[in-house]
Amino acid sequence: SSELTQDPAVSVALGQTVRITCQGDSLRAYFASWYQQKPEQAPVLVIYGKNNRPSGIPDRFSGSSSRNTASLIITGAQAEDEADYYCSSRDNSDNHLRVFGTGTKVTV
Amino acid sequence: QVQLQESGPGLVKPSETLSLTCTVPGGSISSYYWSWIRQPPGKGLEWIGYISFSESTSYNPSLKSRVTISLDTSKNQFSLKLNSVTAADTAVYYCARDQFIYETNGGGDAFDIWGQGTMVTVSS
Repeated sequence: SSELTQDPAVSVALGQTVRITCQGDSLRAYFASWYQQKPEQAPVLVIYGKNNRPSGIPDRFSGSSSRNTASLIITGAQAEDEADYYCSSRDNSDNHLRVFGTGTKVTV
Repeated sequence: QVQLQESGPGLVKPSETLSLTCTVPGGSISSYYWSWIRQPPGKGLEWIGYISFSESTSYNPSLKSRVTISLDTSKNQFSLKLNSVTAADTAVYYCARDQFIYETNGGGDAFDIWGQGTMVTVSS
């Protein structure tokens, strides 16, 4: 089955830009979706598809993709963006399966 | 906004069966795919499996031999059964709506609505 690899942790200064990456072979065929998870809370979808935000997600969140790497970009990070972030996609070997990335802790 | 609600025992004995139910208000259960996802304490997310509106299922290969997901449209619920549990199955269990969202600029798959999660501990 596919694996999606993320850096364990990144830090960003308040108001600066941070890029969170997700690498895996399945990303050559499928867009990643991205989830924000704050302590003791359920994950929340922040980006899906090529670069789409659900209603209520601030426009400082954006997504991009190139070859086997998907990126979540936070432009002008705010204190409330401090959280764990997970990517997800379909499995490359069986598109009925789903896989999550290893997760990235973002510190602002 | 659809809100999902997990329910079930918070404590399960080793070797027994973990059973959870997710209630989907509003009758939309017949229109989407529905997934179970879990998160062991201090660890990342793990997809367990899904059931479709037509009751087709797909399971994580690492859990497939122990997992059953079923659908009860009359109650707007879907359920998870995980048998022969061990301490390694201790986790927060989430239910989520799983759909492909179409967009003109490129849509994609997403778990767009989640339950609040329920903690299940496996211990004697």
